[in-house]
Amino acid sequence: GAVVSQHPSRVICKSGTSVKIECRSLDFQATTMFWYRQFPKQSLMLMATSNEGSKATYEQGVEKDKFLINHASLTLSTLTVTSAHPEDSSFYICSAQRVMNTEAFFGQGTRLTVV
Amino acid sequence: GENVEQHPSTLSVQEGDSAVIKCTYSDSASNYFPWYKQELGKGPQLIIDIRSNVGEKKDQRIAVTLNKTAKHFSLHITETQPEDSAVYFCAASSNTDKLIFGTGTRLQVFP
Repeated sequence: GAVVSQHPSRVICKSGTSVKIECRSLDFQATTMFWYRQFPKQSLMLMATSNEGSKATYEQGVEKDKFLINHASLTLSTLTVTSAHPEDSSFYICSAQRVMNTEAFFGQGTRLTVV
Repeated sequence: GENVEQHPSTLSVQEGDSAVIKCTYSDSASNYFPWYKQELGKGPQLIIDIRSNVGEKKDQRIAVTLNKTAKHFSLHITETQPEDSAVYFCAASSNTDKLIFGTGTRLQVFP
């Protein structure tokens, strides 16, 4: 299967700072990437859909100015958590698809802890 | 929009027994149904998927069945092993919409 690399796997940051998480499709070009947030023992909550070269589409209730998404190329999407607060602490996961309605390949996830 | 329900939320089986996880979906336009396995602290990994033009698909100990009329699909794991212990998610999507995930099933296989 295809490989999606997410970096970093763990990050601890201070309240008020910003954190950037990278998601790369290593061996295929992804027209669409997705960002999810997962709370302990819960399902994946879709935050936004990222399309290369265009603005991300955010799900209802997700703050666009807080969770900045950039999909600058067909192999890279980034999620920046701005002015992080302890309540932003969570497991963030990205996925990538070659085209819609096909296999989604997930990154390893990023455990963010805001102190 | 699509809504996917998944049952049971937890499932405990003895090693060697079979495990079955069931999902229902609401949107008749959905035509792609993947299953993911998520181990603790990791991202989900695709284990098997099925499209609506097929009723059943099998890969070694894992099989998925789809009933389009009833809008439900199931994951079957036979001869379970302790390493099968994980959280399993079903999902559904259509040609024009994103994947919608079920709520997950925590499977524990006891030796």
